[in-house]
Amino acid sequence: EVQLVQSGAEVKKPGESLKISCKGSGYSFSSYWVAWVRQMPGKGLEWMGIIYPRDSDTTYSPSFQGHVTISADRSISTAYLQWSSLKASDTAMYYCARLRESFGGVTYYFDSWGQGTLVTVSS
Amino acid sequence: SSELTQDPAVSVALGQTGRITCQGDSLRSYYASWYQQKPGQAPVLVIFGKNNRPSGIPDRFSGSSSGNTASLTITGAQAEDEADYYCNSRDSSGNHYVFGTGTKVTVL
Repeated sequence: EVQLVQSGAEVKKPGESLKISCKGSGYSFSSYWVAWVRQMPGKGLEWMGIIYPRDSDTTYSPSFQGHVTISADRSISTAYLQWSSLKASDTAMYYCARLRESFGGVTYYFDSWGQGTLVTVSS
Repeated sequence: SSELTQDPAVSVALGQTGRITCQGDSLRSYYASWYQQKPGQAPVLVIFGKNNRPSGIPDRFSGSSSGNTASLTITGAQAEDEADYYCNSRDSSGNHYVFGTGTKVTVL
C-alpha cells in the first residue's frame, strides 16, 4: 500500500525556522515526483513546488520561489519542506502528494496524499 | 502561469445529477484531475485523465473535457458527496501544476 506520512503539527514564532517531512512507503520513492501543497485556513489548495527524489530536481511555483526550500533524502524515502524565517502568513495546512503520469504525457495527477501538517505561526 | 476557474458553489438534489466545471488554457493541452476534500481531511483523487476513476471511487463520478473546459459529473448524488472539489492540471509553461479555485458541493 502506497503511503505518505507527514510529520506532526508545529507551533512556531515569527522569524523561526522550520522543516517538515513527508515519508513515503509501499513504492519506489526515488522514482516518483513529490509535490507540496498549501491550504490556508478556510481557503483552497495551492501548488507550491515539486521534487524528483532520484536526483533532487526541483521546480517551484513562482508564488513560493525564494520563500521555501524543498528537498529530499532518497536514502530514507523522505521529502522535506522548510522555511528559514517563518511569517504569520505561513500559518496553514501543508500536504505532500505523489505525482503520477500516464497516457502519453497528457495526464498528470496526484494519486496519494499525506495526512497534512498544520503549521501555526504566532507570537 | 495558468489559472483554473471553478464556480464557487454548486447545489444538487439527493439522487440527482450535478456538474462542476473547470476552465483554463492549460486544459487544451492536458487533462484535468479532480479531488474531493471533506472538512478536516486530506484531498482524495476521484477522476484523472480522460475519464478514469481510482479504485474505490464510486462510478457515479465521471469526467469529461472539451476545449478549455473540464467537467466532473456526479450522477445520483449522495449525501456523502457533499464536499469541496478541486481540479488540477499541469501548466503549459513547464513542470508546474495549478489547482482550480474550488467548488463547494451541497447535496440538498
